[in-house]
Amino acid sequence: DAGITQSPRHKVTETGTPVTLRCHQTENHRYMYWYRQDPGHGLRLIHYSYGVKDTDKGEVSDGYSVSRSKTEDFLLTLESATSSQTSVYFCAISQGASQETQYFGPGTRLLVL
Amino acid sequence: GDSVTQMEGPVTLSEEAFLTINCTYTATGYPSLFWYVQYPGEGLQLLLKATKADDKGSNKGFEATYRKETTSFHLEKGSVQVSDSAVYFCALSDAGGTSYGKLTFGQGTILTVHP
Repeated sequence: DAGITQSPRHKVTETGTPVTLRCHQTENHRYMYWYRQDPGHGLRLIHYSYGVKDTDKGEVSDGYSVSRSKTEDFLLTLESATSSQTSVYFCAISQGASQETQYFGPGTRLLVL
Repeated sequence: GDSVTQMEGPVTLSEEAFLTINCTYTATGYPSLFWYVQYPGEGLQLLLKATKADDKGSNKGFEATYRKETTSFHLEKGSVQVSDSAVYFCALSDAGGTSYGKLTFGQGTILTVHP
């Protein structure tokens, strides 16, 4: 357990509405990540952060933005949700000499109608 | 770019059977390799890892050996239990490359074990 919580755990929203998912960690990890999980695709990286206010894009970043104003919180925002963003979203932190090992939060299940 | 390929699932076994889930990878650097497990309704848990060639990762009776010559990291268990039913993901981290700590996942293999 790497002290990661995600909120909300479940959300239903309508197309075109903004949605913000929160990832909170209690162990002062520098690196944090957002992934989405879809059948047949495994997990795909959306965005990651390597420090407060330092973020970068992953492989599926279109339609998503992130913010990290405090070490412990990493927010993922869908500016205008679409049905293709229906997914399970996982937050992760990394540990290790080269940050090679990641530990995951419990996930947020998002349904966009 | 980096990629991970897992054997197609689902895999269905009887309790106490031998398990192998194949995983091969493509990477430009010297990746670390991982197996994660996801139980129904839960997040991913790290099962085992290996950080260099010929390393063997092991945990809970599962093993995988980092084979650089065949670019493989196959997961094995000698005797599966019903409680091993889950989705298994192979992944690599090219932490020494330009994408610091980024994980690349395979598509996952569903394992169902019957009593």
